[in-house]
Amino acid sequence: GQQLNQSPQSMFIQEGEDVSMNCTSSSIFNTWLWYKQDPGEGPVLLIALYKAGELTSNGRLTAQFGITRKDSFLNISASIPSDVGIYFCAGQTTRENAGGTSYGKLTFGQGTILTVHP
Amino acid sequence: DTGVSQNPRHKITKRGQNVTFRCDPISEHNRLYWYRQTLGQGPEFLTYFQNEAQLEKSRLLSDRFSAERPKGSFSTLEIQRTEQGDSAMYLCASSPTGSTQYFGPGTRLTVL
Repeated sequence: GQQLNQSPQSMFIQEGEDVSMNCTSSSIFNTWLWYKQDPGEGPVLLIALYKAGELTSNGRLTAQFGITRKDSFLNISASIPSDVGIYFCAGQTTRENAGGTSYGKLTFGQGTILTVHP
Repeated sequence: DTGVSQNPRHKITKRGQNVTFRCDPISEHNRLYWYRQTLGQGPEFLTYFQNEAQLEKSRLLSDRFSAERPKGSFSTLEIQRTEQGDSAMYLCASSPTGSTQYFGPGTRLTVL
């Protein structure tokens, strides 16, 4: 089946530093999404990417959909303590049918644990 | 609150008991997904509904698991004869189109 490799597994940084994490896949995805999860809660959607090469920002977050469609990265600039949490990438395949585009399940990476020291 | 809601948030049960979880999606989202997440891992897909039709099931969904969405709104996930290996966070997500999935807070199941 499809596998996503997310790195690094964990990061310990000082407040104000920039952060970069990435995901690579053995298979092609049509959509890449990035989520943040706090302990005991569900994942919260941060950024969604729909086209190869797409670069999208959401505040201090920037994510890109790799040209090969097998990878994506997420950057966080000027980190703050509330950025602490687990970040997950997720890839999604789509199918075209008579009714339009059908979006399937998400395949998640293993997560990157981010710790920010004040 | 208009997000995805899940009940209960926590469930502790003894091995062999049956449990049922409920998910209420965001209003008018016709797609609903169930995922399972174990400690230190990302969520894994279990099953997917479009309206009341169950369109896809993972191999993870053994015959002890059953999911329903009878009226195309809320969904239930039942686990029969629970095993310790079923202990996990069960997450529900909904989507208007399928391309962006919004997750609920999850139900944490502990099987003793």
